[in-house]
Amino acid sequence: DAGITQSPRYKITETGRQVTLMCHQTWSHSYMFWYRQDLGHGLRLIYYSAAADITDKGEVPDGYVVSRSKTENFPLTLESATRSQTSVYFCASRGGTSQETQYFGPGTRLLVL
Amino acid sequence: DAKTTQPPSMDCAEGRAANLPCNHSTISGNEYVYWYRQIHSQGPQYIIHGLKNNETNEMASLIITEDRKSSTLILPHATLRDTAVYYCIVRVASSSNTGKLIFGQGTTLQVKP
Repeated sequence: DAGITQSPRYKITETGRQVTLMCHQTWSHSYMFWYRQDLGHGLRLIYYSAAADITDKGEVPDGYVVSRSKTENFPLTLESATRSQTSVYFCASRGGTSQETQYFGPGTRLLVL
Repeated sequence: DAKTTQPPSMDCAEGRAANLPCNHSTISGNEYVYWYRQIHSQGPQYIIHGLKNNETNEMASLIITEDRKSSTLILPHATLRDTAVYYCIVRVASSSNTGKLIFGQGTTLQVKP
């Protein structure tokens, strides 16, 4: 199916464990983004990528690692999960022209115990 | 990117037009106004964007004042499914711009039967 997908949709993990959230898009969009959404903070940018093998930090990158070996995939890894990383995570993508809009995935709900 | 100000909440009767205001008094000449919405538990969804002229698509109309310091998103015939948080975002549209979005608190629109 065309579009942007995230997996898993729901995840429960324990403090200290490594967790990887997957994001896949079928449009061959250049840019991809990871946001987290928490009550009282709205959506905040974690990391973004302008193309394969090009990534950069957003507003709240600490505790997260990203990679982009293929254009269509942009995984987000929590190397050692903490309770403060309990959140809803959204992946987004957009094309390379100036006005193109972002398309968001359905989100991953992560609970860190 | 310019800061935006939106009312925290609004109500609208089903079938009536919903007019959502946004102030962006510090907008620059090369900044576009974008509107996204987020229905509960879903990822944000693009609605419409514009620079100077009024814009219309199948979802909504965007009215931008002549001085570009404010805009109004119009949902012509609101339905219960339009109940969501609506975000007004101002950003530079440039191919060299990452396109990262700065989400404020938005306006929670409640459409009532």
